[in-house]
Amino acid sequence: AQKITQTQPGMFVQEKEAVTLDCTYDTSDQSYGLFWYKQPSSGEMIFLIYQGSYDEQNATEGRYSLNFQKARKSANLVISASQLGDSAMYFCAMREGLGTNAGKSTFGDGTTLTVKP
Amino acid sequence: IAGITQAPTSQILAAGRRMTLRCTQDMRHNAMYWYRQDLGLGLRLIHYSNTAGTTGKGEVPDGYSVSRANTDDFPLTLASAVPSQTSVYFCASSEEGSGANVLTFGAGSRLTVL
Repeated sequence: AQKITQTQPGMFVQEKEAVTLDCTYDTSDQSYGLFWYKQPSSGEMIFLIYQGSYDEQNATEGRYSLNFQKARKSANLVISASQLGDSAMYFCAMREGLGTNAGKSTFGDGTTLTVKP
Repeated sequence: IAGITQAPTSQILAAGRRMTLRCTQDMRHNAMYWYRQDLGLGLRLIHYSNTAGTTGKGEVPDGYSVSRANTDDFPLTLASAVPSQTSVYFCASSEEGSGANVLTFGAGSRLTVL
């Protein structure tokens, strides 16, 4: 069974500093995708970044980068130069590509990030 | 604007009543999903559909049913609502049910069962 663990229920970061949000996953599948989504207080879910299990380079999208360590089964999100608007809940998710769980996305319980001015 | 429309936005429901949450997408995505999000927690998959005419069970399917008669619509029905089904329900879709296909979410439906 696939599982996502986010061990940081809450994080604080000073504005303009970088922050890392942790995510570990568990799967026996060789083909999978890892995603990060942001949920502001308004409630909508916003896609941030994607990493495929076969991708050799870490994904980057603007101020977001994904620190993918396949052997350790971790997919940490790094936000550089934090902004007040980054305050939100962040979810790590995994989708397996093959097998009985193919296509289903599993989410972690999320990390609430608060950016301090 | 292309996306997912969910209705109702919010609903208070008496226990034992039947309720259908509506979800419509205009992106011609093949795969659609229903998640529930309980306070302070992540999303748990209720049911999904990889293509019109097919559905599958997710992590927490009990008490819920879905249908996928066409590509655009994916309603979620609570046959007899119970208080533990109080939650925020998100409908989502993706082009396909695998690979790098990103989930696009609706705005959510907040359901309170008394």
